[in-house]
Amino acid sequence: GQNIDQPTEMTATEGAIVQINCTYQTSGFNGLFWYQQHAGEAPTFLSYNVLDGLEEKGRFSSFLSRSKGYSYLLLKELQMKDSASYLCAVRAIYGNNRLAFGKGNQVVVIP
Amino acid sequence: EAGVAQSPRYKIIEKRQSVAFWCNPISGHATLYWYQQILGQGPKLLIQFQNNGVVDDSQLPKDRFSAERLKGVDSTLKIQPAKLEDSAVYLCASSLNGGGGGDTQYFGPGTRLTVL
Repeated sequence: GQNIDQPTEMTATEGAIVQINCTYQTSGFNGLFWYQQHAGEAPTFLSYNVLDGLEEKGRFSSFLSRSKGYSYLLLKELQMKDSASYLCAVRAIYGNNRLAFGKGNQVVVIP
Repeated sequence: EAGVAQSPRYKIIEKRQSVAFWCNPISGHATLYWYQQILGQGPKLLIQFQNNGVVDDSQLPKDRFSAERLKGVDSTLKIQPAKLEDSAVYLCASSLNGGGGGDTQYFGPGTRLTVL
């Protein structure tokens, strides 16, 4: 099985930087995804990491360390529309490559 | 490009009743997934189809849940009979080929089910 742990909630100010952490335990690691989910809406894809290091996409960056079972999502220049839940999902070869999602981290952006 | 379509968006039923949800994936996507998302939790995979065949249904409560994708395009998920603990959002997702690696899943808007 896969264990994925994310902190539950954080509050940050508009314009600031926030880091959302995700730790996982799995066998046959085959990639890690970050999704954004606004309240009452579907998850939308943000980023994918399979090799160690940092992937940058505009205001969002995602980092992976496979040896530590650790990833983070970095949100820069926070905007009010970034208030959402951020879901970390791990794919493993064992188990049909199914995605196992964490509970999500709720980010609240305040003016 | 049209996204994943789902209907209905909301459904309220009494326990022991039956309910069905419909999903139409992104055109050309071979793989279709049904997830259950309980409030405050991440999505949990119920079933994965590759074209019209089942790849993974290990987490589907088969005594009450069933799903089909007869022509390899749209799909229906049924619950019969429903229990209170089935209250959740049912998300459908699709991806190009269902393989590993960076094959990305795209989600529909979901159906919010309330069982009274």
